[in-house]
Amino acid sequence: GEQVEQRPPHLSVREGDSAVITCTYTDPNSYYFFWYKQEPGASLQLLMKVFSSTEINEGQGFTVLLNKKDKRLSLNLTAAHPGDSAAYFCAVSVHSGTYQRFGTGTKLQVVP
Amino acid sequence: DMKVTQMPRYLIKRMGENVLLECGQDMSHETMYWYRQDPGLGLQLIYISYDVDSNSEGDIPKGYRVSRKKREHFSLILDSAKTNQTSVYFCASRPDWGYEQYFGPGTRLTVL
Repeated sequence: GEQVEQRPPHLSVREGDSAVITCTYTDPNSYYFFWYKQEPGASLQLLMKVFSSTEINEGQGFTVLLNKKDKRLSLNLTAAHPGDSAAYFCAVSVHSGTYQRFGTGTKLQVVP
Repeated sequence: DMKVTQMPRYLIKRMGENVLLECGQDMSHETMYWYRQDPGLGLQLIYISYDVDSNSEGDIPKGYRVSRKKREHFSLILDSAKTNQTSVYFCASRPDWGYEQYFGPGTRLTVL
C-alpha cells in the first residue's frame, strides 16, 4: 500500500526565515494531496489541498510544490512567523479519495 | 460552518474496562473515520464508515470496533481496554463532493 515519508520530524527556524517540509510517496496512482496544520492541543486544520493536475499552489504565506516524477510534495513557508509554530502533516490519497495516508508529521518552531 | 464533535475530550480508564468514544457531525457526510495519533507516528486509520451499518477496517483495527446506527453519529468501542491503547483519538468526516477531511477536536484516552 501507499507509504508516505515526511521530513524533517522537527524544524526550528528564526522569524522571517523560510521553512521547507517534504513528503515522498510511493503510489503512482496518488491523485490528491493535502497539508494539515495542528496547533498544540488542537485538531487538524486543512491548510491546502492539491490535485495532481497542478504542480504549484500558493496560499497565504506558503507555497506547495508537487513533483509527480519524483513523487515528492513540499510545503514552503515563506517568511515564517511565530504563529506558524505547529505540527504539519501531509496526506496523500488515490483517485477515489476515500483513504488518506498521512505522513508522520513535522513539528515546526518559529523563534522570534 | 462544518463541525465535527467528539465526546468526551479526556478520559481515564483502567486496563480491562470498556471504553466508548462518540463522534458527531452535522453535515450529513456519508464517510466518517476514526484515527489514533501517537507521537512520531502521525495518524493511523482504525476504521472507516461509508454510511449507516457500512464499516470497514482500517490499518489498525485490532482491539477496536465501531458502530454507526445514524449517519451523524460514529462510535468507537474498546472492549477491555489495554495500556497500549493510550492515545489521542480523532474522528473525521468527508463531504461527498470533496476529498478533504474535517476533524473533530480529539479525545485523549489514558488507560492505566
